[in-house]
Amino acid sequence: AQSVAQPEDQVNVAEGNPLTVKCTYSVSGNPYLFWYVQYPNRGLQFLLKYITGDNLVKGSYGFEAEFNKSQTSFHLKKPSALVSDSALYFCAVRTGANNLFFGTGTRLTVIP
Amino acid sequence: NAGVTQTPKFQVLKTGQSMTLQCAQDMNHNSMYWYRQDPGMGLRLIYYSASEGTTDKGEVPNGYNVSRLNKREFSLRLESAAPSQTSVYFCASSDAFGQPQHFGDGTRLSIL
Repeated sequence: AQSVAQPEDQVNVAEGNPLTVKCTYSVSGNPYLFWYVQYPNRGLQFLLKYITGDNLVKGSYGFEAEFNKSQTSFHLKKPSALVSDSALYFCAVRTGANNLFFGTGTRLTVIP
Repeated sequence: NAGVTQTPKFQVLKTGQSMTLQCAQDMNHNSMYWYRQDPGMGLRLIYYSASEGTTDKGEVPNGYNVSRLNKREFSLRLESAAPSQTSVYFCASSDAFGQPQHFGDGTRLSIL
């Protein structure tokens, strides 16, 4: 069975500081990993994905994520947080042709 | 571009009533999905349509039916609503199956 865990329900970071939102996964094959962001009263927006290749993936809005196979992690990062980055972030995983399984989400608050 | 459009945005039903949630995308995407989002949980897949003319059950299909009317439209029907179906419903679409790219803004459904 495949699953994804987001160990932190809430992350607070000061504006201008680097941010990290954590994600770990459990799959039986090679994982496809995704990050999405959700702003209040809106649908999810795709940020980035890892399929294969370079372990550091760059995505939208200055976000990047690092795939670590040995630690089964796919943490989302940004060098300098903006207040407008405050939102709900979801990690998701799938293998092969299966559908995505989403984590429970991490609420990021960037403090001015 | 509208992207993915869902109607209605809000709905209140009584137990046992039926209704259809509408979804349309204008990006010529092949695949469409219906998810539900409940507090403290990730998105869960209800049904999907990998391509026009096909539909399949997802993780939580009980109590729902779908119709892929054409390439643009994918509707979700609740035949006899139950309080457990109170949720926020999201429609999504993608070029390739298995990675929803664009989401609608959701339908907030309350069943009394």
